[in-house]
Amino acid sequence: DTGVSQNPRHKITKRGQNVTFRCDPISEHNRLYWYRQTLGQGPEFLTYFQNEAQLEKSRLLSDRFSAERPKGSFSTLEIQRTEQGDSAMYLCASSSLRLAGGLDEQFFGPGTRLTVL
Amino acid sequence: QKEVEQNSGPLSVPEGAIASLNCTYSDRGSQSFFWYRQYSGKSPELIMFIYSNGDKEDGRFTAQLNKASQYVSLLIRDSQPSDSATYLCAVKIQGAQKLVFGQGTRLTINP
Repeated sequence: DTGVSQNPRHKITKRGQNVTFRCDPISEHNRLYWYRQTLGQGPEFLTYFQNEAQLEKSRLLSDRFSAERPKGSFSTLEIQRTEQGDSAMYLCASSSLRLAGGLDEQFFGPGTRLTVL
Repeated sequence: QKEVEQNSGPLSVPEGAIASLNCTYSDRGSQSFFWYRQYSGKSPELIMFIYSNGDKEDGRFTAQLNKASQYVSLLIRDSQPSDSATYLCAVKIQGAQKLVFGQGTRLTINP
């Protein structure tokens, strides 16, 4: 069994460009989450999917950010017109209430580190 | 007041000693509590979770929860240099799926 995977692992872009990240959750997991983490801080919640439905979005998720999970498997996070303040580690996590300890524990992928120049 | 608060450290502990990491939370509706370990440049790794008052032990790790005091802690016994990392406390409140994280405590185990 593989864990959560994310691609790319690193992305360097110029301000104003669009970027897209991909997350592949653990195969049996129906819940998928995106978080953002900046240096010295804990991860901050961005959005959550159950299967293909996006059920919760943070106010941090401005209109430049969009996330999809079209078939309830992998997910993409797109940032349009990137700004320097978007530089962060973007983390994906997945979970399943039916598995593990029954507490819907979230398991994180390796993250995508975004640098906006 | 932050929803989840941790002392950012750094916390320095000699090898073989007990490391004690603390976390307080503000929402009384919080139901479950998680400790993640994060090595520098890596993603968070789940090490413990707890949802009932009292202690929960797993190997060298013990999580302690006191809902009345809105306090959760992590004890690491027989600390090893490989335990040096940032420890993140995360809380899930009732009715929500998201985790709310503290800023993390940086722990250094000195040989």
